[in-house]
Amino acid sequence: AQKITQTQPGMFVQEKEAVTLDCTYDTSDQSYGLFWYKQPSSGEMIFLIYQGSYDEQNATEGRYSLNFQKARKSANLVISASQLGDSAMYFCAMREGWDNFNKFYFGSGTKLNVKP
Amino acid sequence: NAGVTQTPKFQVLKTGQSMTLQCAQDMNHEYMSWYRQDPGMGLRLIHYSVGAGITDQGEVPNGYNVSRSTTEDFPLRLLSAAPSQTSVYFCASSYSEDGRQGADKNIQYFGAGTRLSVL
Repeated sequence: AQKITQTQPGMFVQEKEAVTLDCTYDTSDQSYGLFWYKQPSSGEMIFLIYQGSYDEQNATEGRYSLNFQKARKSANLVISASQLGDSAMYFCAMREGWDNFNKFYFGSGTKLNVKP
Repeated sequence: NAGVTQTPKFQVLKTGQSMTLQCAQDMNHEYMSWYRQDPGMGLRLIHYSVGAGITDQGEVPNGYNVSRSTTEDFPLRLLSAAPSQTSVYFCASSYSEDGRQGADKNIQYFGAGTRLSVL
């Protein structure tokens, strides 16, 4: 079974609108971390936001927020007020376990296109 | 602040050749790792290190070697390149950081990547 599932290969959003990128995860560990990364066309991986499994509040970083629904094992990324520079691939990732550094899994990504 | 630096940015090899991908970080991070990214897939962990002198295998280690003699450097060696190793390679570094409830955040910061083609 896949550890991270991103079911939206590609999405379009109008500039200035909000968009939600879906991510579900699979783990039996109680302690884990969830991450979102952005990969623009230039290729680098940029860290956006982190959510710990014990955090009861949704993480927020500027225009990014993570909609964490633990019972459903989902960790959707919400981008508010989309900008043209948000056009990129977005990857959801999970580190499984308290200190299992080798258990770091990425989803296959969602390509977001922001239309002017 | 350079962060994580990878060299070279591009490389073409012939089958059977060997080479080393370089990775250096200047953030004094204890953890470093190597990933490969294939088309339509997310990153997969090749090898990682939790400190100088300590390395271990990730999800896809076959065909690759690593060593970590210093905190700063973590080179990835391809001993005998194969076409299946054509990929984009990313190096990352991170450090332990306590999140709430004691969970370890360990956010990874990536280099710009090395695009490798094996003919």
